[in-house]
Amino acid sequence: GQNIDQPTEMTATEGAIVQINCTYQTSGFNGLFWYQQHAGEAPTFLSYNVLDGLEEKGRFSSFLSRSKGYSYLLLKELQMKDSASYLCAVRSPRDSNYQLIWGAGTKLIIKP
Amino acid sequence: ETGVTQTPRHLVMGMTNKKSLKCEQHLGHNAMYWYKQSAKKPLELMFVYSLEERVENNSVPSRFSPECPNSSHLFLHLHTLQPEDSALYLCASSRAAGGGDEQYFGPGTRLTVT
Repeated sequence: GQNIDQPTEMTATEGAIVQINCTYQTSGFNGLFWYQQHAGEAPTFLSYNVLDGLEEKGRFSSFLSRSKGYSYLLLKELQMKDSASYLCAVRSPRDSNYQLIWGAGTKLIIKP
Repeated sequence: ETGVTQTPRHLVMGMTNKKSLKCEQHLGHNAMYWYKQSAKKPLELMFVYSLEERVENNSVPSRFSPECPNSSHLFLHLHTLQPEDSALYLCASSRAAGGGDEQYFGPGTRLTVT
């Protein structure tokens, strides 16, 4: 079956670092996305990984290990505006080249 | 502002009503999507259109009927909905369907079925 697992909720302190994990079990793999969604707003794209390793983009980094079916999103120097849900999604071409398999999202709460 | 707009933003309808959701993208993309987002559940893909042709239909009940008159516009026609259809309906677009292209989402329509 197809499955994406993420923690439901995490709490972190302003200025700190937080790592949000995503594990996946899919019948194929053709890339992993991370999206950010603030309450009541549209999801917005953060990163895309298709090869193993770390991709850094400012305060946000995303890591992928295809052999372990594992990814994480690393947020540094946390700001209050980073309070949001973070969605992990995998493209699995064996079932459909058009469909992303989505996790339920991790709600990140930033405290002062 | 993502370049994808949706109207209305909020909709309350009875089970016997007929209504339509509208999505428009100003990005020149060739693929458009309808998703359903329920609380604490993963996004559920409903329909995918590529170059105005429907390429994916995820066993969605027939009370949801999509329409894509051109590559910039997408509609979701609703009729005889059930209370469990209450959710946030998100439209998205991407340069192409499939591959590594990111999807740009609209703000969604919050639908309540009474």
